[in-house]
Amino acid sequence: GNSVTQMEGPVTLSEEAFLTINCTYTATGYPSLFWYVQYPGEGLQLLLKATKADDKGSNKGFEATYRKETTSFHLEKGSVQVSDSAVYFCALVTGGGNKLTFGTGTQLKVEL
Amino acid sequence: DAGVTQSPTHLIKTRGQQVTLRCSPKSGHDTVSWYQQALGQGPQFIFQYYEEEERQRGNFPDRFSGHQFPNYSSELNVNALLLGDSALYLCASRPGLAGGPGYEQYFGPGTRLTVT
Repeated sequence: GNSVTQMEGPVTLSEEAFLTINCTYTATGYPSLFWYVQYPGEGLQLLLKATKADDKGSNKGFEATYRKETTSFHLEKGSVQVSDSAVYFCALVTGGGNKLTFGTGTQLKVEL
Repeated sequence: DAGVTQSPTHLIKTRGQQVTLRCSPKSGHDTVSWYQQALGQGPQFIFQYYEEEERQRGNFPDRFSGHQFPNYSSELNVNALLLGDSALYLCASRPGLAGGPGYEQYFGPGTRLTVT
């Protein structure tokens, strides 16, 4: 079956620090990969996606590259802000493209 | 353009009771999925509805059932509630089953269910 493994949180960084959140996956078939973000008290928002190997998804300064050889989709940002504090979920979908499989989430706290 | 809306926002029920949660998809979307997010966990897929039929189901017991209406809105019903059913229930919508796995699913804010 499909599964997603994310690094444990919380991750605490100072503002303007570099961020990496690791994500690896196992999948039957050829997955599409996603990063979702959940701000306190809210639902999930799609942050970025990649649908084939070597694709780079990017949005709001965040980036992630689909690495088929290492089955990874690590999230990076060069300079985090306090407003980036949230929980980040890595997810994948295969086949018919409707059942998302999520990791357990990584909480990011950015301090001044 | 309204996004995905869910009601109620919060709900408190007693063990053994039944509950109905509601979801209206984003305008133009006709496929609705439901997810359960336990505290500190990632969302788990419950099922998906398209054309008023359940099309795909996750690993949830039959106590979890759903319905989709002709206007594409959907309900999630949970019978014989257990303490372990306490969670945030998220609804997500997308346009149609086709279009490939890259299609974004739009999530609602969720319904927080507490079972006492």
